[in-house]
Amino acid sequence: EAGVAQSPRYKIIEKRQSVAFWCNPISGHATLYWYQQILGQGPKLLIQFQNNGVVDDSQLPKDRFSAERLKGVDSTLKIQPAKLEDSAVYLCASSLESYEQYFGPGTRLTVT
Amino acid sequence: AQSVTQLDSHVSVSEGTPVLLRCNYSSSYSPSLFWYVQHPNKGLQLLLKYTSAATLVKGINGFEAEFKKSETSFHLTKPSAHMSDAAEYFCVVRDNYGQNFVFGPGTRLSVLP
Repeated sequence: EAGVAQSPRYKIIEKRQSVAFWCNPISGHATLYWYQQILGQGPKLLIQFQNNGVVDDSQLPKDRFSAERLKGVDSTLKIQPAKLEDSAVYLCASSLESYEQYFGPGTRLTVT
Repeated sequence: AQSVTQLDSHVSVSEGTPVLLRCNYSSSYSPSLFWYVQHPNKGLQLLLKYTSAATLVKGINGFEAEFKKSETSFHLTKPSAHMSDAAEYFCVVRDNYGQNFVFGPGTRLSVLP
């Protein structure tokens, strides 16, 4: 069974630039999550999708972050414009029936 | 709302000695609890999970955890540490009403030869 795929693995941008991350969940997993993990901290949920719909985006900074899930499968997370404090690892996870989560390798973002 | 406290940010043990990583949680509803491990530059991997069945849960690589409702704890243990256990460990709570997963801040485990 293929795992959760994410790209790119690393990204370096300057502040005020835009960036997008892509996630392909495990086939058949209805629930998809995006987390932000700042160095030295636990992952923080940014947004949770159930199929195409958003279940929880209460911690997503909506003035600069956006996310969508295309046809209930792939998802993209965008930051526009980026700030220095957005430097983190962005993790995508998927699960079947909101139960056990399977994580991708993450995208490490550095904002300079 | 749920929350997780991991009482130690860093634990150091000698190879072959027992491991204890502590976790306390707060949840308004009956929770599901998880332990994840994160090796450097690798993704998060599920070690074990509690979902209201047996209170003593066995996971991969010899780890186990005991759910104690009266103490709101879910401590992770292993009888004998191995060098390959050195990693970051996260305790996670999910209440069975809200469905959100909340991660603790993590405990870094070092294993000394």
